[in-house]
Amino acid sequence: EVQLVESGGGLVQPGGSLRLSCAASGFTFSRDWMTWVRQATGKGLEWVANINQDGTKIYYVESVKGRFTISRDNARNSLYLQMNSLRAEDTAVYYCARDGVPAAQNYWGQGTLVTVSS
Amino acid sequence: QSALTQPASVSGSPGQSITISCTGTSSDIGSYNYVSWYQQHPGKAPKLMIYEVSNRPSGVSNRFSGSKSGNTASLTISGLQAEDEADYYCCSYTTIDTRVFGGGTKLTVL
Repeated sequence: EVQLVESGGGLVQPGGSLRLSCAASGFTFSRDWMTWVRQATGKGLEWVANINQDGTKIYYVESVKGRFTISRDNARNSLYLQMNSLRAEDTAVYYCARDGVPAAQNYWGQGTLVTVSS
Repeated sequence: QSALTQPASVSGSPGQSITISCTGTSSDIGSYNYVSWYQQHPGKAPKLMIYEVSNRPSGVSNRFSGSKSGNTASLTISGLQAEDEADYYCCSYTTIDTRVFGGGTKLTVL
């Protein structure tokens, strides 16, 4: 059974940092692109970033470029999102997702809440 | 990259069919056959319903179908059921190798 379990969310002050983790199991993690998607409370989904199988191709939404870094450790079956210079508008539930089919996410974690507030 | 445009809400009665549109540009929907659709129930993670415009993942009912014409993609749900009531989001690959979601459509089953 495919499982994606996010962790690392919490309350952080504006300008602060947080590192999200996503533990993957039930599939060959190293074979798939992985994605982070976020959703502010009561709002729609926003694609944040993705990374290819060996970490050599990485893409970000414009609003997080230079502040967020996506990475992965295939030996640990883990995906990460390092978030720096956090802003109030980064407050959201962050989902880790597996790109198990072309250009789409067919498995999602349960999400971890990040709240940026003083 | 601006969000794709979806109607805020649609509704239909059980057994009817509804269609949700998703309008983009030549920089996303119009350039690739990489449109996907997600269903999200309140408090739950999204679920993939359609990928590559019209492909259904294993386990998704054949009542769900997708299509595309030009810069607009569509999701059709036939034989509407109460459990179809949810938010639906489209998503497209873009010419700068990112993805962009639509604003979401709330489906109400009357």
